[in-house]
Amino acid sequence: SQTIHQWPATLVQPVGSPLSLECTVEGTSNPNLYWYRQAAGRGLQLLFYSVGIGQISSEVPQNLSASRPQDRQFILSSKKLLLSDSGFYLCAWSADSWEFFGPGTRLTVL
Amino acid sequence: QQQVKQSPQSLIVQKGGISIINCAYENTAFDYFPWYQQFPGKGPALLIAIRPDVSEKKEGRFTISFNKSAKQFSLHIMDSQPGDSATYFCAASIGTSGSRLTFGEGTQLTVNP
Repeated sequence: SQTIHQWPATLVQPVGSPLSLECTVEGTSNPNLYWYRQAAGRGLQLLFYSVGIGQISSEVPQNLSASRPQDRQFILSSKKLLLSDSGFYLCAWSADSWEFFGPGTRLTVL
Repeated sequence: QQQVKQSPQSLIVQKGGISIINCAYENTAFDYFPWYQQFPGKGPALLIAIRPDVSEKKEGRFTISFNKSAKQFSLHIMDSQPGDSATYFCAASIGTSGSRLTFGEGTQLTVNP
């Protein structure tokens, strides 16, 4: 069966510090991968999606970036965090019509 | 431009009642409509989904009703329970093979005991 992992589960970072969130998927090959951000009490904002290694599409211009160094690994990064980057970050994968979400990373920028 | 509009933003229902969440879409090319359930601090989980070749799909206490001509679909939760308290998202996509989903803004459901 397929499993999606995200780490860390929670993160508290100062403004201006770098960021690296990692997502890995098990049990499937060549999945589409997605990064979403969810502000408190709000909906799901698609940040990046990838249909293959090295192929990244950005949905929202911002100080975040994504990379896909391996088929089942998706990384979200920032060189300098802003207060507005706080939120719940969700990784998801799909190989058919529906998307499966990971457990999420709660990021607080102080 | 938001392509899937969801209402209400929040909903309070008594235990045993019926919870109804509505979504409307604009893009007539959408042909897959899933609903996701999200508990606090967790990732959304696929709850139930429908394609436009049927007008209704039922799984246990959860039913999706689909009105293609009106470009609307809704989630009905029968005999609502406190454990159903969560945020519900409708979504839509075009085709299969990993097409991206367009999500509604979410409905926060509270079921009072």
